Parts: sequence; C-alpha cells; structure tokens
Amino acid sequence: KNQVEQSPQSLIILEGKNCTLQCNYTVSPFSNLRWYKQDTGRGPVSLTIMTFSENTKSNGRYTATLDADTKQSSLHITASQLSDSASYICVVSANDMRFGAGTRLTVKP
Amino acid sequence: SQTIHQWPATLVQPVGSPLSLECTVEGTSNPNLYWYRQAAGRGLQLLFYSVGIGQISSEVPQNLSASRPQDRQFILSSKKLLLSDSGFYLCAWSVLSIKSSYNSPLHFGNGTRLTVT
Repeated sequence: KNQVEQSPQSLIILEGKNCTLQCNYTVSPFSNLRWYKQDTGRGPVSLTIMTFSENTKSNGRYTATLDADTKQSSLHITASQLSDSASYICVVSANDMRFGAGTRLTVKP
Repeated sequence: SQTIHQWPATLVQPVGSPLSLECTVEGTSNPNLYWYRQAAGRGLQLLFYSVGIGQISSEVPQNLSASRPQDRQFILSSKKLLLSDSGFYLCAWSVLSIKSSYNSPLHFGNGTRLTVT
C-alpha cells in the first residue's frame, strides 16, 4: 500500500473556478512535504514545500496546507487558468521520498 | 542557472534490444543524480541514485543499470529490453543526498517515453 494517497485521481473544472487537491500520508517520521506540478510530457516542477512547523504556505494562486497531526495536506488553486491543467504530485520526505500517484487536473474554458 | 538535459524524448525499441538513455546537468557541481520511472496512475519509482562519479545505488532489482562516468552525466542502460521496461523515465538532480533529511527539491528533466515492442 502506498504511504502517500492523493485524491481525487482526476478533476475537471471550469476556468476561473477554485479547487482543492488532497494528500494523506502515513510516512513516519516526517521531514517535509512537497507539491510538484507536472505538465503533460514534462518533468515535475516543485511548487511549494511544507515542513513540520508550517501550516500554510502560498505561492501565487497556489496555497498549500499541512496538518501534521492528522497527516494531511491540501493544495488549493484559486481562480484557475488553462495553464493549471497538469498533474499535481505530493511527495513526503522522511528517510527517503515517497511519491503520491498524483491528481490529474483539467481546466476547461 | 542550472539546467538538466535528457534525451531522447521518445524511443521505440524492440524486445531484446539494448538501451541507453543519457542525462546531463549544467550549472552545478557534484550534484546528486537520480533515475525514476513513472507508470500511469502510480507514483514515481526510484531506480538509481548517485552521490558521485562511479557511485551508483540501486533501489529495486531490475533489468536496468546506471553509470556515472562524469560528474554531471548519468546514463541508464539495458543489455536486453523487456516489454515491462516500457514507461516514462525521468532523470533528476538535487544538492543534498536522498538518504538524509533535506529541503532541497528535485529538479527533473523532461523525461523519455520508452515503448518496448
């Protein structure tokens, strides 16, 4: 069983709408959690990193949250744009890195 | 600035043929280098990582091998491809070892889509 579970697997929203992607993990001990964005046919690119003491961090229209007690993180995208269409991957680091399977987001005009 | 180059972008090879995928990094010295495979609907799987020239660690038993002949060059190889080797292969670099607690991100290349027929 994967120690990093992401939901939903896929999501379709209209341009301009908000959405929230979820990441639940069982990895222990915990060092940090990072969200990556992967455009189709490209390599993932880091969006943000959350350490144990951080609850919220923003990067433009992207806001990540972390609840280390419940081992949950979310990535909220505000005012979505067509260019937000991509896979979003949650990666939890402890003694190694554990990758979620990703959420495939499609933003339609 | 640092850049990572990975080629080819796509590759179609028959079963039993050899494989060589190359990755080079520019703009940084002594990077940690990684090869990942990404299967549809699954998380990235670490295949190999290297902390220095000639130092290769394998994470999973498989039909592939890796080599690091130069500081910023990482090569993924196979002597005889299997159908199960098909997938999306990603090379990445970072400034800290994967085996220690770290905050440095992985920087990925654009991947190679390998289809074994």
